[in-house]
Amino acid sequence: AQSVAQPEDQVNVAEGNPLTVKCTYSVSGNPYLFWYVQYPNRGLQFLLKYITGDNLVKGSYGFEAEFNKSQTSFHLEKPSALVSDSALYFCAVRDEYNFNKFYFGSGTKLNVKP
Amino acid sequence: NAGVTQTPKFQVLKTGQSMTLQCAQDMNHEYMSWYRQDPGMGLRLIHYSVGAGITDQGEVPNGYNVSRSTTEDFPLRLLSAAPSQTSVYFCASSPQAIEQYFGPGTRLTVT
Repeated sequence: AQSVAQPEDQVNVAEGNPLTVKCTYSVSGNPYLFWYVQYPNRGLQFLLKYITGDNLVKGSYGFEAEFNKSQTSFHLEKPSALVSDSALYFCAVRDEYNFNKFYFGSGTKLNVKP
Repeated sequence: NAGVTQTPKFQVLKTGQSMTLQCAQDMNHEYMSWYRQDPGMGLRLIHYSVGAGITDQGEVPNGYNVSRSTTEDFPLRLLSAAPSQTSVYFCASSPQAIEQYFGPGTRLTVT
């Protein structure tokens, strides 16, 4: 079955330090992968996507993610965390057989402390 | 542009009642979708539509109906509410079923 996994419910990092939010996927073909962010009491906002091409994808607010096919991972990274980055982050994958379906991970809460 | 709008923001229903969650978008997107968000489970796709008159089931469609009579609107109907349908519901739209634009959500409680 196609899916994404976010192994960490919560990630804590100090402001100014690099951050990583992990995501692994289970798709047999070439995946379309996404990261979204959700601030409290708000809808999800699109951050970045991988479709094809360069494995390093740059997105909004200084975030980037690296597609690693051998490890089936798509970790979200930022070189220097801000307190305002504190939010809930979701990884998602598009269904490889039905391009209109998407599967989301369970979410990772990022806490950035001053 | 207002983007994706959802009404109501909050709703409390009694078991067995029916209601419609409204969703509208002003971006002329063909693709629209409904998700429910439950703690520890992420978002799960309920139904989606690729254009007016075309809808299909997602991962968790039971107990929900949808229709798409216009490009702009994609209402979600709960036929007979159950406590298991207590959740936060999000509507989203996309120009090409790639990245999605989400509404602010409707928090539904069924007692």
